[in-house]
Amino acid sequence: RKEVEQDPGPFNVPEGATVAFNCTYSNSASQSFFWYRQDCRKEPKLLMSVYSSGNEDGRFTAQLNRASQYISLLIRDSKLSDSATYLCVAHGSGNTGKLIFGQGTTLQVKP
Amino acid sequence: EAGVTQFPSHSVIEKGQTVTLRCDPISGHDNLYWYRRVMGKEIKFLLHFVKESKQDESGMPNNRFLAERTGGTYSTLKVQPAELEDSGVYFCASSQVRQGGLHFGNGTRLTVT
Repeated sequence: RKEVEQDPGPFNVPEGATVAFNCTYSNSASQSFFWYRQDCRKEPKLLMSVYSSGNEDGRFTAQLNRASQYISLLIRDSKLSDSATYLCVAHGSGNTGKLIFGQGTTLQVKP
Repeated sequence: EAGVTQFPSHSVIEKGQTVTLRCDPISGHDNLYWYRRVMGKEIKFLLHFVKESKQDESGMPNNRFLAERTGGTYSTLKVQPAELEDSGVYFCASSQVRQGGLHFGNGTRLTVT
């Protein structure tokens, strides 16, 4: 079983749609969580951190449910430029700097 | 501020040859990481330096891989001898704090034929 699991998609949505991605993690000791965005043949870039209280950055909202070991990302009013792969990432347990990546969810926003 | 830079961007070598990848982290970032993505798989951790010390090398696949960070600045990752399964994209990343988000370089795409 993968440590971080995501639905690979692809998710094909029209411009303006709201889309949600989900992710589960297996290590209950993981402390920090992130969503990264990766464009085709580019490096991953930090999109946002994820907090238990939920956090919002413009059209993006991230949620963490520690009891269910579940993370989500909601994108409102999708833009063509949102097309990318979204990576769910957990920080390893303990004092490590190691990140555990999910396989990524591909989003394609169409006009 | 200059980002994380990696060299080369692409490398094609034959099985059995040696390749050395280089990473220059963001200036002032003590934490430096190597990750790898092989075709169809998720990005996987290789190792973590804090300054010049190896903090965690649990992800290194085998002893054909050697990473160094002499002087705590740039890092190299050497693969010797390379095997076909080493093909993939090797990412370097750096951060100021250990549990923060990482800044990734553009990656080195390694093809072993």
